[in-house]
Amino acid sequence: DTAVSQTPKYLVTQMGNDKSIKCEQNLGHDTMYWYKQDSKKFLKIMFSYNNKELIINETVPNRFSPKSPDKAHLNLHINSLELGDSAVYFCASSRLKDTGTRHNEQFFGPGTRLTVL
Amino acid sequence: AQKITQTQPGMFVQEKEAVTLDCTYDTSDPSYGLFWYKQPSSGEMIFLIYQGSYDQQNATEGRYSLNFQKARKSANLVISASQLGDSAMYFCAMNTNAGKSTFGDGTTLTVKP
Repeated sequence: DTAVSQTPKYLVTQMGNDKSIKCEQNLGHDTMYWYKQDSKKFLKIMFSYNNKELIINETVPNRFSPKSPDKAHLNLHINSLELGDSAVYFCASSRLKDTGTRHNEQFFGPGTRLTVL
Repeated sequence: AQKITQTQPGMFVQEKEAVTLDCTYDTSDPSYGLFWYKQPSSGEMIFLIYQGSYDQQNATEGRYSLNFQKARKSANLVISASQLGDSAMYFCAMNTNAGKSTFGDGTTLTVKP
């Protein structure tokens, strides 16, 4: 009955490889997010998807491509991995509508620790 | 532009005392939600408390309360009766209707026995 799940939990790979991280939420939320947390613990949003459509795309290299096959899934594909991509990647979901009036916290997945060698 | 500022990189508190973690925000969107999350050393992000921009009363959740001062654009977290298990990184965050989500740099809280 996990609310937001991510796979894999750990990912160790060589520079130049292509990898994917999967995210699924079973909360019926309409909005999903990807965040990157670096070694200094700074948390930065990368993408927001609402009803399978991209609504926010922060300054993220083109090597990162999110894919949302349906409202419950938002996968992150990374091409040509670089050393600087090493970080913890968090997926999250929320209800977007009526922000400010409704209790709509973001629920986070457990995170995926990516290590690029 | 949307911004969250946490000015305290690290805080110490004695066990059983109260502590306030500061958060100021900036947004031009009238509809926003403010959140606090706890991240223990194990790494998961744990939701603590939420305040909507239209909420008239300050939010409370058990030992956590949010001191929301809209005119000052501040949303400080107050933890009462600190416990050793409260030692963690705390993030203040804001969401808006546009789907924008912004986190502060975090405050590391250490509870001393």
